[in-house]
Amino acid sequence: GENVEQHPSTLSVQEGDSAVIKCTYSDSASNYFPWYKQELGKGPQLIIDIRSNVGEKKDQRIAVTLNKTAKHFSLHITETQPEDSAVYFCAASGGGGSYIPTFGRGTSLIVHP
Amino acid sequence: DVKVTQSSRYLVKRMGEKVFLECVQDMDHENMFWYRQDPGLGLRLIYFSYDVKMKEKGDIPKGYSVSREKKERFSLILESASTNQTSMYLCASIAGVTGELFFGEGSRLTVL
Repeated sequence: GENVEQHPSTLSVQEGDSAVIKCTYSDSASNYFPWYKQELGKGPQLIIDIRSNVGEKKDQRIAVTLNKTAKHFSLHITETQPEDSAVYFCAASGGGGSYIPTFGRGTSLIVHP
Repeated sequence: DVKVTQSSRYLVKRMGEKVFLECVQDMDHENMFWYRQDPGLGLRLIYFSYDVKMKEKGDIPKGYSVSREKKERFSLILESASTNQTSMYLCASIAGVTGELFFGEGSRLTVL
């Protein structure tokens, strides 16, 4: 089955800095790579996703890049703000026709004012 | 707005008790999931259901069962709660092949 590794587990940055979270996956047939943000006391919520036919996708201050050859994808947050502080999860799905995502272990992002 | 509602946000139960966690979605989604979330371990799939009365084991089904009698409702059952089942439980649903999961706000269970 799919295996997703996520790094780092904790990331601490100053407000205004950039943050990068990286994930690798094992199943070359996976074709859907979402990122979820979980704020304290809430369930995870999709913030951006990318499909395997695209190399990069941007939405305001967040972007995701995908390298299919190397089987890794990354979340980039620019001009971080305190409200970006949360746990971020990457996931991969689509391998073998399965829609069920496999999640990374999560990254706790702390943005210091 | 799409919504996944988990009936209990916080529960405290004693060892050996039977525990029901309820989840309802209003999006007419076929597929529903129960995850367990523990620090450092991420989201681990317990069970999922792709249709009414249908269920499949996930990665950590031991000690749990599920029930899906209606399309909108998916219940997680702990037949005899143990202390190692103290955790955050998240319900989610997914719309067909789009891939996006919609999560509830979670049920934090403490087993004493």
